[in-house]
Amino acid sequence: EADIYQTPRYLVIGTGKKITLECSQTMGHDKMYWYQQDPGMELHLIHYSYGVNSTEKGDLSSESTVSRIRTEHFPLTLESARPSHTSQYLCASSVVDEQYFGPGTRLTVT
Amino acid sequence: GIQVEQSPPDLILQEGANSTLRCNFSDSVNNLQWFHQNPWGQLINLFYIPSGTKQNGRLSATTVATERYSLLYISSSQTTDSGVYFCAVVPDKLIFGTGTRLQVFP
Repeated sequence: EADIYQTPRYLVIGTGKKITLECSQTMGHDKMYWYQQDPGMELHLIHYSYGVNSTEKGDLSSESTVSRIRTEHFPLTLESARPSHTSQYLCASSVVDEQYFGPGTRLTVT
Repeated sequence: GIQVEQSPPDLILQEGANSTLRCNFSDSVNNLQWFHQNPWGQLINLFYIPSGTKQNGRLSATTVATERYSLLYISSSQTTDSGVYFCAVVPDKLIFGTGTRLQVFP
């Protein structure tokens, strides 16, 4: 079992608010990822990091930003939330190619 | 880019039935994973299977990389098997298929 944690699990927030979704892993994995998923649909990569101070944008354009100051921590920030950001956000980490996922954050922007 | 197709898109079974889910991919890949997403949204690793066959309890998977497909077998299905099954391939980063939605009724 992988040890990867996300908080909060559920978040309902008003338009225009700044939010940060937290992701932490205790496995020492260098690679970490953020995916966005609409209910029942495929996952889309929005950000990834291959190590400290390394971040890249994924295949799906996103208004969010990420940082990687510590190996174990990969937070995602939305400066000004909008209803179009309503989705599930899943964090993952990997050693080599095998990825392990956190429980996800369900975000609703009203 | 690489295309990942899963079939069938939806599957309804009675408890105890067996099923086969298929994943086709359009180009060579370094790796392939199968996941189960439960009704609460959590993605659970089932198999890490770039080639060959693996078994874990009632589930088994086979990947034939040269023919660009993978199969997931579920035997004696249970209601707890319900959810969405995704395959994902790695040419360089993980690319997900569209999933198979499985419902198992008692």
